[in-house]
Amino acid sequence: SYVLTQPPSVSVAPGQTARITCGGNNIGSKSVHWYQQKPGQAPVLVVYDDSDRPSGIPERFSGSNSGNTATLTISRVEAGDEADYYCQVWDSSSDLYVFGTGTKVTVL
Amino acid sequence: QVQLQESGPGLVKPSQTLSLTCTVSGGSISSGDYYWSWIRQPPGKGLEWIGYIYYSGSTYYNPSLKSRVTISVDTSKNQFSLKLSSVTAADTAVYYCARATLVQSSPLDYWGQGTLVTVSS
Repeated sequence: SYVLTQPPSVSVAPGQTARITCGGNNIGSKSVHWYQQKPGQAPVLVVYDDSDRPSGIPERFSGSNSGNTATLTISRVEAGDEADYYCQVWDSSSDLYVFGTGTKVTVL
Repeated sequence: QVQLQESGPGLVKPSQTLSLTCTVSGGSISSGDYYWSWIRQPPGKGLEWIGYIYYSGSTYYNPSLKSRVTISVDTSKNQFSLKLSSVTAADTAVYYCARATLVQSSPLDYWGQGTLVTVSS
């Protein structure tokens, strides 16, 4: 089955840029979505279709996808961005939603 | 704005069947515009998609759980439900319901708050 690999953790100082990668075989050919999950809460969609933002999500959240890596970029990081982040694709070969392993973002 | 709310027992005994319901408000399952999914997350771990249903009753299941999962829909109550049979401690998780538009590559754009189900005797 299709595997999405993320770094377990990313640490970033306030005001700096956090980059979270999501690796998968030829992921650039798929639509990648990103979710933010704060402790005790449900995931929230922050980027969809590689680089689009849902209504209400700050422009500081952006995404890209090419080759074997998709990236979620959080600019001008704030304390409130501290959370777990998951990438997700639809694996058409197995007909299922696949989630990445998750990345914990810590704001120093 | 659509809202989803999970409900069901928080404790299930091993070998029994876990049953949860997701009630949708602010939108109609019968509109036919969405797939309605169940996802779970064991404590401290990542997300796992269980399956989805269309208003007509058509279903797709995660192959790893397919033999134990049944998802059904009740359009009159604007609800869809999950049954997971022969549960073990490994099925202990927060269970979420969510929706996605009809393109299978689309994201899960609205989620319920989740409900913790513990499997224990």
